[in-house]
Amino acid sequence: SQKIEQNSEALNIQEGKTATLTCNYTNYSPAYLQWYRQDPGRGPVFLLLIRENEKEKRKERLKVTFDTTLKQSLFHITASQPADSATYLCALDIGGGNKLTFGTGTQLKVEL
Amino acid sequence: DTAVSQTPKYLVTQMGNDKSIKCEQNLGHDTMYWYKQDSKKFLKIMFSYNNKELIINETVPNRFSPKSPDKAHLNLHINSLELGDSAVYFCASSHDRTSGNTIYFGEGSWLTVV
Repeated sequence: SQKIEQNSEALNIQEGKTATLTCNYTNYSPAYLQWYRQDPGRGPVFLLLIRENEKEKRKERLKVTFDTTLKQSLFHITASQPADSATYLCALDIGGGNKLTFGTGTQLKVEL
Repeated sequence: DTAVSQTPKYLVTQMGNDKSIKCEQNLGHDTMYWYKQDSKKFLKIMFSYNNKELIINETVPNRFSPKSPDKAHLNLHINSLELGDSAVYFCASSHDRTSGNTIYFGEGSWLTVV
């Protein structure tokens, strides 16, 4: 069955550093991969989508890479700020119909 | 203006009761979803409707019955609530069911069954 795993339950980094989050999947070849942010007590919010033919996508301080050979996506936040503290979720459309399957999530904490 | 709104935000109820969660989206989207997030924060799809038609029905007990009176609304009714139903339920929508569409989530409904 499809598995989507994200690195460690929690990641603590210092303000100003680059945070790197990992999303690994098995048994599937997705056409694209999405990243969402979820704050405590709120619903997930879409951040970025990367397609299988794109190696990298950027949006302001965010960068996503997609390696379909390794079956892995990396999500980078450069010059991290305490306001970036949240849980980050990767998601794939496994069965079509925009039916997203989410990863386990990584809780990021940016400390002063 | 809230894009996807759901009510109630918090719901505490006893085992065996029947309850409903309502959801409305004002984005003009064709597709709506219900997701469940358990205590371990794992987010899993339950149902998806496209223009009032059920298109995704994951392995969910029959006690859960979605209803879509029109494409802007998708309600979730739960019969005979059990302790294990305690979770956060998120309503969501997307422009249509084409893969790659951004999904817009509501703020969640916290259901606690006691």
